[in-house]
Amino acid sequence: SQQGEEDPQALSIQEGENATMNCSYKTSINNLQWYRQNSGRGLVHLILIRSNEREKHSGRLRVTLDTSKKSSSLLITASRAADTASYFCATDANTGNQFYFGTGTSLTVIP
Amino acid sequence: DSGVTQTPKHLITATGQRVTLRCSPRSGDLSVYWYQQSLDQGLQFLIQYYNGEERAKGNILERFSAQQFPDLHSELNLSSLELGDSALYFCASTLGTVITDTQYFGPGTRLTVL
Repeated sequence: SQQGEEDPQALSIQEGENATMNCSYKTSINNLQWYRQNSGRGLVHLILIRSNEREKHSGRLRVTLDTSKKSSSLLITASRAADTASYFCATDANTGNQFYFGTGTSLTVIP
Repeated sequence: DSGVTQTPKHLITATGQRVTLRCSPRSGDLSVYWYQQSLDQGLQFLIQYYNGEERAKGNILERFSAQQFPDLHSELNLSSLELGDSALYFCASTLGTVITDTQYFGPGTRLTVL
């Protein structure tokens, strides 16, 4: 399965600290996306990085992509309590119209 | 608010029953995607429709079916329900056909099968 794996499964930090979560996948991709999900709610798109990009920024978010290692990381700087959520990476499979979500990292930011 | 609506919000039913979940995409979006999120399987892509036609299929069981109507709303039909079908069901929409476009998710329907 192409399904990605996020690491760590759960992360707890103090407000103001940075949070880093990682995603690994198995096959070649066209792009990779990160989504956020607040408890029991729908997913919200955060950022998309294409396979020919290595780094992308959006506000307090920084995403890196290493296609040679089939991995990506999401860095949230200066975290806030409102960042508490689950974070998922999502990839296509580059061989068909499929879309795979990772297992998610549950982030808790303590005020 | 993503602009994607789903009804009902909660659904409780018994094993063996059939239910229909409804999704209205964002205004102007032509593609609708259905996902199942359960504790043991995570978030699984089920199926995609584009402008009324099935476009891609994921891990959708034969007991499940979907369709997209001329007004672009979509319905996911789940039949012969089993306990393991209890999950959150999300739909998402995009403007075009490309599954890797940014997807806008609805709030989900929580299905509980007793």
